[in-house]
Amino acid sequence: RKEVEQDPGPFNVPEGATVAFNCTYSNSASQSFFWYRQDCRKEPKLLMSVYSSGNEDGRFTAQLNRASQYISLLIRDSKLSDSATYLCVVNGQKLVFGTGTRLLVSP
Amino acid sequence: EPEVTQTPSHQVTQMGQEVILRCVPISNHLYFYWYRQILGQKVEFLVSFYNNEISEKSEIFDDQFSVERPDGSNFTLKIRSTKLEDSAMYFCASSRSTGIGVLAFFGQGTRLTVV
Repeated sequence: RKEVEQDPGPFNVPEGATVAFNCTYSNSASQSFFWYRQDCRKEPKLLMSVYSSGNEDGRFTAQLNRASQYISLLIRDSKLSDSATYLCVVNGQKLVFGTGTRLLVSP
Repeated sequence: EPEVTQTPSHQVTQMGQEVILRCVPISNHLYFYWYRQILGQKVEFLVSFYNNEISEKSEIFDDQFSVERPDGSNFTLKIRSTKLEDSAMYFCASSRSTGIGVLAFFGQGTRLTVV
């Protein structure tokens, strides 16, 4: 089983749509969880940390379910500029990346 | 806003040559990392470095690779004898500490092309 597993997509959505990404991780000892965003041929940029209580940052909501070892990211009111690859990242002693989920938002 | 900087942005080298990739981490950070991303694949951990020594390395980080912090600011990755399969984007990252909720910040990457 992969350490961090994501659906690679692509997810094609129209502007204004709500889209959700999921991620599962295998190491139950993982301590921290993040969503990073990566644009084509650029570095990963931190989007948000993920907490068990759930956290929201504007149009983005992240959720962690430790029992199911599952992380989610919800994007509301998608913008063209949201088109990118979204990386699920889990931290034990080092960051472990999923393969990423590609999102394409079209006009 | 402080950032991690990497040089060069793109390096082309012949197979068998040595390359050194350079990184300047954020100044008050103590933990440093190298990751790589082969085109179309996921970001992979190579090595972490703390207190002037390697704290963890992956199986990718074999004897061809080495890291060094030669002065107070630079953090380098050396590949002794490059192979075609070393062609990838190499990202340096740094963090203030490790543990729950600690954030790592990435440099813009060095694209290494081995020909």
